[in-house]
Amino acid sequence: NAGVTQTPKFRVLKTGQSMTLLCAQDMNHEYMYWYRQDPGMGLRLIHYSVGEGTTAKGEVPDGYNVSRLKKQNFLLGLESAAPSQTSVYFCASSYSRLRPREQYFGPGTRLTVT
Amino acid sequence: DQQVKQNSPSLSVQEGRISILNCDYTNSMFDYFLWYKKYPAEGPTFLISISSIKDKNEDGRFTVFLNKSAKHLSLHIVPSQPGDSAVYFCAASGIHRNYGQNFVFGPGTRLSVLP
Repeated sequence: NAGVTQTPKFRVLKTGQSMTLLCAQDMNHEYMYWYRQDPGMGLRLIHYSVGEGTTAKGEVPDGYNVSRLKKQNFLLGLESAAPSQTSVYFCASSYSRLRPREQYFGPGTRLTVT
Repeated sequence: DQQVKQNSPSLSVQEGRISILNCDYTNSMFDYFLWYKKYPAEGPTFLISISSIKDKNEDGRFTVFLNKSAKHLSLHIVPSQPGDSAVYFCAASGIHRNYGQNFVFGPGTRLSVLP
């Protein structure tokens, strides 16, 4: 099992450009999450999904959109990137019933917006 | 205002000794607490958790203690090993009134275990 994978690993964008980050998991997890991590701060929840076709806002959703068309994939979109979105982005997934709160994380995507 | 605080950005411990990492939280609605470990260029990995109805949970060398009245939890690693050198995140889980299930992470403590 690959676990949770993220594509791409690194990206540099110019202000105003758009991009999509892809997260994939092969553990048949129901729940998936997108976080961002900034220096000196913990991970902050951007959006999450409790199942295929569903999404919900987290703590810092502004400027991001998400989609969960397939159970194994969770996409994070930036429609018009801003320098404030420079961060490391982590995707995570978890079981829905047995152990819902223990998340498995991907390796992260380092995004720089200039 | 941070809801989960880890006031020590870093900690150094001698191999074989005990490592104690501390975490404080402000929201009494949190009902589940977790510790994650993170190596450079990798995502966090789950280490140990504790429900708010318990005050201790043990898993091998790792023990988490919860003091609900003080809104404080700690992670004990005994004995510490060089491979334990990593950043440790404390996290709290609960239901947020605006956006449902929520996980709040602390800023992390970098543990260095010296051989």
